Amino acid sequence: GAGVSQSPRYKVAKRGQDVALRCDPISGHVSLFWYQQALGQGPEFLTYFQNEAQLDKSGLPSDRFFAERPEGSVSTLKIQRTQQEDSAVYLCASSPGVPEAFFGQGTRLTVV
Amino acid sequence: AQSVSQHNHHVILSEAASLELGCNYSYGGTVNLFWYVQYPGQHLQLLLKYFSGDPLVKGIKGFEAEFIKSKFSFNLRKPSVQWSDTAEYFCAVNEDGANNLFFGTGTRLTVIP
Repeated sequence: GAGVSQSPRYKVAKRGQDVALRCDPISGHVSLFWYQQALGQGPEFLTYFQNEAQLDKSGLPSDRFFAERPEGSVSTLKIQRTQQEDSAVYLCASSPGVPEAFFGQGTRLTVV
Repeated sequence: AQSVSQHNHHVILSEAASLELGCNYSYGGTVNLFWYVQYPGQHLQLLLKYFSGDPLVKGIKGFEAEFIKSKFSFNLRKPSVQWSDTAEYFCAVNEDGANNLFFGTGTRLTVIP
């Protein structure tokens, strides 16, 4: 497709469950970002990939959060043992080069 | 750490009114500046950006923003808003040489027909 695609759009998880969120970036975009957007807040940076290399993961809030981009295209954000404070919209963005970013529609995660 | 402030949380205007949304940032070095817009049910879209040069930048849909370095500000303006401008607006800052964006908390704009 023409834009960044994320799936699923909505995810409800029980506390303690593991989840995996997928991002299909714009074809050919080298850079890929994950952001977390809590209700009423702006997006906050989680992690950054350049091709398959994860160059910055300083924003990941705990070791329960893990991201990968094994072939330098599709990326997956995994959250283990989800907790209520993980409830947020998770945004993926891609870019042909930093710093400009093109965003997907996000995955709204609700942990119950 | 970088911080971005958007002091207006919710702005309500009538159609044809003029708009100015404030954005201030804290980083003292070279920055790249952005305004993103999120229409209801849609993804974040780039409205305009400033990297260097003329501090008055023009974006899509009649929006413009002015970078005032001495005030650490990048305010968004539009002379005459339309009902279709109803959306949430986010200011974002990138420290030159860094990878990620720092976002403000957003301003919700409601335009009354």
